[in-house]
Amino acid sequence: GESVGLHLPTLSVQEGDNSIINCAYSNSASDYFIWYKQESGKGPQFIIDIRSNMDKRQGQRVTVLLNKTVKHLSLQIAATQPGDSAVYFCAELSGFQKLVFGTGTRLLVSP
Amino acid sequence: NAGVTQTPKFQVLKTGQSMTLQCAQDMNHEYMSWYRQDPGMGLRLIHYSVGAGITDQGEVPNGYNVSRSTTEDFPLRLLSAAPSQTSVYFCASSYTNSPLHFGNGTRLTVT
Repeated sequence: GESVGLHLPTLSVQEGDNSIINCAYSNSASDYFIWYKQESGKGPQFIIDIRSNMDKRQGQRVTVLLNKTVKHLSLQIAATQPGDSAVYFCAELSGFQKLVFGTGTRLLVSP
Repeated sequence: NAGVTQTPKFQVLKTGQSMTLQCAQDMNHEYMSWYRQDPGMGLRLIHYSVGAGITDQGEVPNGYNVSRSTTEDFPLRLLSAAPSQTSVYFCASSYTNSPLHFGNGTRLTVT
């Protein structure tokens, strides 16, 4: 079946470091992937997305990399700030607008 | 714009009670959905709607009903609450082939 998983449940970094959050997916037919950020007490917030016809997409301080060969997705955050502390989810589009979410990685940024 | 608005923010029910979780969006999105979030399990799709008058089941629909009489509103009904329905519920909406926008959730406890 389809599944989206994360390699690390918690990632601790120092302020200013670059952070990399990884995600594996199992459905090779998936063609759309999204990263969400969830702060405590709030709903998931869209960060960046990527379609399967791309390997890399950049936003403001964030980059998503897609490796379709090994079915791996990563989120890179440059110059991580304390405000980046949150839980990050990758999600895979399965069927019409149905997102399958991973279990999440908690990013802890210390000053 | 308010985006996706969920009410109430918190609710405590006794086993067997019924209630409706409200969700409204002001972005004219055709797609709306309900997810539940449990510790260590990410977000799981309960029900979704691709437009007014159209609903369908997601991954975990048992114990929940939905209706979509207008584009803006997508209420989730619990007919007979059970402790297993203790969770945080998120409503989301989007245009077709666009990222989901989430509300801030309803935290439900069933005793």
